[in-house]
Amino acid sequence: SAVISQKPSRDICQRGTSLTIQCQVDSQVTMMFWYRQQPGQSLTLIATANQGSEATYESGFVIDKFPISRPNLTFSTLTVSNMSPEDSSIYLCSAESNSGNTIYFGEGSWLTVV
Amino acid sequence: KQEVTQIPAALSVPEGENLVLNCSFTDSAIYNLQWFRQDPGKGLTSLLLIQSSQREQTSGRLNASLDKSSGRSTLYIAASQPGDSATYLCAVLDTGAGSYQLTFGKGTKLSVIP
Repeated sequence: SAVISQKPSRDICQRGTSLTIQCQVDSQVTMMFWYRQQPGQSLTLIATANQGSEATYESGFVIDKFPISRPNLTFSTLTVSNMSPEDSSIYLCSAESNSGNTIYFGEGSWLTVV
Repeated sequence: KQEVTQIPAALSVPEGENLVLNCSFTDSAIYNLQWFRQDPGKGLTSLLLIQSSQREQTSGRLNASLDKSSGRSTLYIAASQPGDSATYLCAVLDTGAGSYQLTFGKGTKLSVIP
């Protein structure tokens, strides 16, 4: 099984600033994903983090707002840029086992923008 | 610490059958409960979100129920189709100790046989 370490676990951010969330997997995985859960809403996929190429973004999410890096098969970052209070959410990193049979989750990063 | 258990781990049914997936959680002080499906190589797709004050939610052939007091939720799929084949995940959102924490079950892998 894989273990995902995500940090920060929690942060309070000033409006207009940017924050980068890190996701570290303890084994090599092919697929990594980033999600957002805003208060009272369901978990929503932001993008698929592709190793060595640009992330694949879902409708409603753009690279300028949520730049993602995936330099290797064990690490990814999500940056929330120019934050506003509407960006206050839980951000979650996930990875899929290479066999496709198991999904692993980080513990989430709870961001509050003030 | 919240624990989420899904039973069964795998399920195979013939097309057209109705089926029930089970999810149980140890701490009933949840904010909401969500059901997702995961297709290999793709991110989670949100199916249903049940707030802690609700008893059930319906979407098409899917019906999810929530019994907070007993720490249980079920996902009912009517008239199953081969396209329903996927892994189904249950997740609870906790708001204890002033923080938000998403906890996922390990999923039920569903195969619908044509």
